[in-house]
Amino acid sequence: QAVLTQPAALSASPGASASLTCTLRSGINVDTSRIYWFQQKPGSPPRYLLRYNSDSDKEEGSGVPSRFSGSKDASANAGFLLISGLQFEDEADYYCMIWHSSAWVFGGGTKVTVL
Amino acid sequence: EVQLVESGGGLVQPGGSLRLSCAASGFTFSNFGMNWVRQAPGKGLEWVSYISSDGSTIYYTDSVKGRFTISRDNAKTSLSLQMDSLRAEDTAVYHCASGAFDFWGQGTLVTVSS
Repeated sequence: QAVLTQPAALSASPGASASLTCTLRSGINVDTSRIYWFQQKPGSPPRYLLRYNSDSDKEEGSGVPSRFSGSKDASANAGFLLISGLQFEDEADYYCMIWHSSAWVFGGGTKVTVL
Repeated sequence: EVQLVESGGGLVQPGGSLRLSCAASGFTFSNFGMNWVRQAPGKGLEWVSYISSDGSTIYYTDSVKGRFTISRDNAKTSLSLQMDSLRAEDTAVYHCASGAFDFWGQGTLVTVSS
């Protein structure tokens, strides 16, 4: 089982909200994991969006719109990237990442389509 | 303005070697750890290696341990990745990224093929 699992794809309409899920493998506690989120568009390097551990321990990347936010749910053992007010420019691949067993680990990515 | 510019990619045969470089500017390079992250064609991101600001702490992903060596030259504000015993599965675009992953280079393509 992968360390981080992300749905392969998600589609939503402009103006809607999208919640991207990053599920941690059983045995890895989301409560003690800082979750990083990245956006990547074709032909470009990844862009750091934010990291989230708690409401008192979070950081947004430089120039990242406030409609991107992070959260966690211990009961689901998952982290979430919420994109509110989806725009066509948000169409991209999104990756989560955590530090686990002396290594950075990325999720497989979610392709977000805005239609 | 922070800039990270990778170089050194190319076509190499299986079992061969390649050395990647990343030229950093626009920030105090010696104060920050650095990473290499790769992305195989059409695939997701894979972290490769990390080096601390002074080079004293280094981590690798399991698949490259014993084959890849990360290093840095703070005087030249440069990051390197020596890649030996290359395999077809090492084919990817290799990005250097800051320690906190807030800055990324455009990447350099490494193709391992006969």
